[in-house]
Amino acid sequence: AQKVTQAQTEISVVEKEDVTLDCVYETRDTTYYLFWYKQPPSGELVFLIRRNSFDEQNEISGRYSWNFQKSTSSFNFTITASQVVDSAVYFCALSEARNTDKLIFGTGTRLQVFP
Amino acid sequence: DVKVTQSSRYLVKRTGEKVFLECVQDMDHENMFWYRQDPGLGLRLIYFSYDVKMKEKGDIPEGYSVSREKKERFSLILESASTNQTSMYLCASSLLNLAGGPGDTQYFGPGTRLTVL
Repeated sequence: AQKVTQAQTEISVVEKEDVTLDCVYETRDTTYYLFWYKQPPSGELVFLIRRNSFDEQNEISGRYSWNFQKSTSSFNFTITASQVVDSAVYFCALSEARNTDKLIFGTGTRLQVFP
Repeated sequence: DVKVTQSSRYLVKRTGEKVFLECVQDMDHENMFWYRQDPGLGLRLIYFSYDVKMKEKGDIPEGYSVSREKKERFSLILESASTNQTSMYLCASSLLNLAGGPGDTQYFGPGTRLTVL
């Protein structure tokens, strides 16, 4: 069965620390897509990244980086030199090739960055 | 930029009332979705629609219905609101997945926080 697990419910860090948000997924499909979304206090989910199952290259975008490892079914998200504006709830999500219009979300990780 | 708007940010209703939540997107997306978000449960899909007048049940459709009369608008209806429907409701839209295609990213509205008393 398809499932996304974000075991970290809440993480607190001090500004400038690096932080990694974990995401573990389960799927029987060989073709699938993984996503990260950010939900700031305003409530709107903001799309951060989409990665397909055939592309295991890590990605870096500014202070954000993503580590995709099929061997451990993980798609972890690292924020380098965290800032207060990074405080939000972060969701990892999965869609499968058989039904790519549907997203399966994890339960989210609340990140609090203190000055 | 994709823009998805929801009619209300906050709504308070009484048990038994009929409630309409409206969602409009301006990017000509075929797919539209309604989710509810509850602490510790993440986002759960209620209904989605891939075309006008088409709808499909998601994971938790009980107690809800939907309407899609125009491509840009997708309404969620609570026929008789109950206290257990107090939640954050999020609307999203995306382009239709073409056969064999990768599907497209979903873009979300700001959410409606509904309280049923």
